[in-house]
Amino acid sequence: GAVVSQHPSRVICKSGTSVKIECRSLDFQATTMFWYRQFPKKSLMLMATSNEGSKATYEQGVEKDKFLINHASLTLSTLTVTSAHPEDSSFYICSAERVNEQFFGPGTRLTVL
Amino acid sequence: AQKVTQAQTEISVVEKEDVTLDCVYETRDTTYYLFWYKQPPSGELVFLIRRNSFDEQNEISGRYSWNFQKSTSSFNFTITASQVVDSAVYFCALSEAQAGGTSYGKLTFGQGTILTVHP
Repeated sequence: GAVVSQHPSRVICKSGTSVKIECRSLDFQATTMFWYRQFPKKSLMLMATSNEGSKATYEQGVEKDKFLINHASLTLSTLTVTSAHPEDSSFYICSAERVNEQFFGPGTRLTVL
Repeated sequence: AQKVTQAQTEISVVEKEDVTLDCVYETRDTTYYLFWYKQPPSGELVFLIRRNSFDEQNEISGRYSWNFQKSTSSFNFTITASQVVDSAVYFCALSEAQAGGTSYGKLTFGQGTILTVHP
């Protein structure tokens, strides 16, 4: 089956720094990728839809200037958490779409100190 | 707006018991997809099943079975003869069919049910 990878799998950073998370579709091209956030013991909440070659579509309540999404190629979308704060600590999961299938990455656990 | 409700926050059973996880959904669309995912402690989502809104047939896969009832907007998941390895968080999710039918679009997840199977 198709594989979606995320890098890094875990990251710890200091408050105020920026962190970039990569989502790659390894064996297929994905024009659309999705970014979800999951707080401990909570559900997955969609943050944004990432479209190759165009601006991402953010869900209501998600700060686009804080969570920068770039989908520069058909196999890579990046999520940058700018000026991270402890409340941004969460599990970030991406998914990539292929025709009639959606595949999730393994997730990135972000801890902001 | 779409909504998925998993009323059971946590379920605890003893190995070999059967367990049913409930899922109730809301959508205004006539064409939609329903999913179940398993999330073990590692965090990675494991796909279990996808069902489209026009297919109400129940499905069985090994110890897993699903009961889809449009009349009650429910898509329940049963594990027969549960095992310790079934311990995980289980999510029910809903997506709309996108134009052209080539995409599932974004998923709306339920709150998740934490299943603990004791030896």
